[in-house]
Amino acid sequence: DTGVSQNPRHKITKRGQNVTFRCDPISEHNRLYWYRQTLGQGPEFLTYFQNEAQLEKSRLLSDRFSAERPKGSFSTLEIQRTEQGDSAMYLCASSLGGAHEWGETQYFGPGTRLLVL
Amino acid sequence: GENVEQHPSTLSVQEGDSAVIKCTYSDSASNYFPWYKQELGKGPQLIIDIRSNVGEKKDQRIAVTLNKTAKHFSLHITETQPEDSAVYFCAASKGAGGTSYGKLTFGQGTILTVHP
Repeated sequence: DTGVSQNPRHKITKRGQNVTFRCDPISEHNRLYWYRQTLGQGPEFLTYFQNEAQLEKSRLLSDRFSAERPKGSFSTLEIQRTEQGDSAMYLCASSLGGAHEWGETQYFGPGTRLLVL
Repeated sequence: GENVEQHPSTLSVQEGDSAVIKCTYSDSASNYFPWYKQELGKGPQLIIDIRSNVGEKKDQRIAVTLNKTAKHFSLHITETQPEDSAVYFCAASKGAGGTSYGKLTFGQGTILTVHP
């Protein structure tokens, strides 16, 4: 399978604990996005990487959230001191950067479902 | 920022009927409009997309139309089948060269149920 993969698929944690999720994009894709999806809603943008550079962070991404993409390959999203409001599906998407003037196809992974008790 | 509104929130059809889902967007600079299908417990799967330099695109039973002047686009599914049952999301984005960085703004989703 050469699609976007995410691990773990499910995570249950207690409030106050730290969690880390991993995303492996499609191998040749240089752009990587994180989104968050709560029940009954569409995904909401969290952050964007072009290669290893994190170029944008949403206001949804509080100081407890940090994301990295070392060497421009896989990416990790860490949530520190989790709160019940962090419970959601965390989705990763990747795209092959081309002409900057057009929006481009993003391919999504299966997501990591987080439940904070 | 961009705002995408999607209607209806739920749609129930009989197998073989057509289904239409509509979206409006607010940012006239948006130029790429994908549609995603999401099944329970899975990530969104791209089913069709359209750029703003095209008014219509078709792929077998699925078609998308775009009206740039009115800033709305629609998904049309013909000859629906039970396996088409899922949540469908529309989205809009601009190019990655500007401050939007190519991020997608999604509609709220439409739960489509196709009854056998």
